[in-house]
Amino acid sequence: GQQVMQIPQYQHVQEGEDFTTYCNSSTTLSNIQWYKQRPGGHPVFLIQLVKSGEVKKQKRLTFQFGEAKKNSSLHITATQTTDVGTYFCAGGYNKLIFGAGTRLAVHP
Amino acid sequence: DVKVTQSSRYLVKRTGEKVFLECVQDMDHENMFWYRQDPGLGLRLIYFSYDVKMKEKGDIPEGYSVSREKKERFSLILESASTNQTSMYLCASSAVAVGTEAFFGQGTRLTVV
Repeated sequence: GQQVMQIPQYQHVQEGEDFTTYCNSSTTLSNIQWYKQRPGGHPVFLIQLVKSGEVKKQKRLTFQFGEAKKNSSLHITATQTTDVGTYFCAGGYNKLIFGAGTRLAVHP
Repeated sequence: DVKVTQSSRYLVKRTGEKVFLECVQDMDHENMFWYRQDPGLGLRLIYFSYDVKMKEKGDIPEGYSVSREKKERFSLILESASTNQTSMYLCASSAVAVGTEAFFGQGTRLTVV
């Protein structure tokens, strides 16, 4: 079945450093979504990418969708303590499959 | 404000009990999902439903069943709870199965003793 793999599983950074998480699918995706889950909270939708090679920005967050629509990345510039949480990618055709997530810790 | 509501935040059940987890959404969404979340494993899909009385297995359906008698309500049933079903359970809904934002409930932390 379809699999969505995400790396790294965990990363801790100093406040102000950059952070990147990568997502790879075993099959071509129609689109990919990114979610953030704060500690103790539930996943909250961040963005959806649909087009091959698409790049979207939300303030310090940059999302990319690969040319082959099988991989994606989320890059955070100059992390802040408010960025702490777990970031998930998700995709699929008839069902939404999530990656294992990358847990980000930011040290002030 | 859109809302997905799960009936319990915390539950403790005994091994062998039949357990019902309830989820209600107020957005008139066609699709509803049940996931379980375990450390290092992310969110794994148990079952999903794309219409009333319709259901499809996800990646880990063993030991679970679901019911969707009304559009707004999706129930997860543990037929005979076991300790390896101790987990965080998350319900979600979306307008379409893939391609629109999924909204999550607050989660139910189930402990089976």
